[in-house]
Amino acid sequence: NAGVTQTPKFRILKIGQSMTLQCTQDMNHNYMYWYRQDPGMGLKLIYYSVGAGITDKGEVPNGYNVSRSTTEDFPLRLELAAPSQTSVYFCASLREGRSEKLFFGSGTQLSVL
Amino acid sequence: DAKTTQPPSMDCAEGRAANLPCNHSTISGNEYVYWYRQIHSQGPQYIIHGLKNNETNEMASLIITEDRKSSTLILPHATLRDTAVYYCIVRSNSGNTPLVFGKGTRLSVIA
Repeated sequence: NAGVTQTPKFRILKIGQSMTLQCTQDMNHNYMYWYRQDPGMGLKLIYYSVGAGITDKGEVPNGYNVSRSTTEDFPLRLELAAPSQTSVYFCASLREGRSEKLFFGSGTQLSVL
Repeated sequence: DAKTTQPPSMDCAEGRAANLPCNHSTISGNEYVYWYRQIHSQGPQYIIHGLKNNETNEMASLIITEDRKSSTLILPHATLRDTAVYYCIVRSNSGNTPLVFGKGTRLSVIA
């Protein structure tokens, strides 16, 4: 299993540009999450999904959109990039059950200039 | 708001046990205590979780007080590679409640 794969690893955007951060998992997990982490801070939940076709807002959803058309993929879209969205973005999926466990991707470092 | 309180930082000598405390005085009966850690800028890594009994795995031990209002993560023989930010999270594992991370404890293992 590749686990959770995020692309790209690094990206620089200009203010007002848009982009999609890709996230895919090959573990057939229903639950997937997007977090952002600002320098020196903890992770903040942006959006999450409990299965294909179902998404919900987290703590900091403004400026982002998500979709979940398949179990494997959970892309995060930034429509009008702002400097405040400079952050590291982590995607994660959840193995449910007694041995419940979050699996994280390696992150996308995004700078908006 | 995070449901847990952790010290912002701790030091531990290499080879000694690292004991990381976490207060969760408002924990509910169906909420578990989870521990994750984040090494440098990598994605967080699962360590252990428990409900009310003490738990042990290959990475660590989790000691939960009888009233469940606090817990301690124990790394029995800390190494330099255990230097990381450790997050204590309280969450119900029923339904679709996501894990909400606080600021965690930055553990520095010193040679």
